Amino acid sequence: GESVGLHLPTLSVQEGDNSIINCAYSNSASDYFIWYKQESGKGPQFIIDIRSNMDKRQGQRVTVLLNKTVKHLSLQIAATQPGDSAVYFCAEKGAAGNKLTFGGGTRVLVKP
Amino acid sequence: DAGVIQSPRHEVTEMGQEVTLRCKPISGHNSLFWYRQTMMRGLELLIYFNNNVPIDDSGMPEDRFSAKMPNASFSTLKIQPSEPRDSAVYFCASTRDYTDTQYFGPGTRLTVL
Repeated sequence: GESVGLHLPTLSVQEGDNSIINCAYSNSASDYFIWYKQESGKGPQFIIDIRSNMDKRQGQRVTVLLNKTVKHLSLQIAATQPGDSAVYFCAEKGAAGNKLTFGGGTRVLVKP
Repeated sequence: DAGVIQSPRHEVTEMGQEVTLRCKPISGHNSLFWYRQTMMRGLELLIYFNNNVPIDDSGMPEDRFSAKMPNASFSTLKIQPSEPRDSAVYFCASTRDYTDTQYFGPGTRLTVL
């Protein structure tokens, strides 16, 4: 079946630096993408989303980029802080239905 | 807003026992999702409801698992009988109709001995 980034790599970043988390998706029909942050012992928390008719969307300290040509999604975190340490998941939704398909996640470790 | 509420937060039980997990979605949300999270398989969708009706239960592992949504503010996920391989964190999420952002509860950590 279709899948979204099933690996769980770890990104180690210095406090204050920018972080870039990448995600590959395989369903070219997906029309909605979302990033979640999950801290230890908590549920996934919404960060930012983007629809397929956009290439870029910015939030507070976060930017999501969508490249539909290569089916790639990225999350950029500016000036990474210790509180950004967590596992980050990308997810996609097809054009029909409400189901989100989640990737395996990326662990971000912020070094002081 | 109270967010999605799940109970219990932790459950430890013995193999063969019945387990019931509970979820209260965000008020006004009419789609509800049950997920299971393990290290090996990540986040898996088990079942989702729209307006209290099960829409897709293709992720439910086997007949030992069942889910109900008797009204717009309450859902249960039941495992009977439970097995050690059911040990995982179970999340409930909800969303409003015509929107796609799912909001997750804090999860129930289930341990089956």
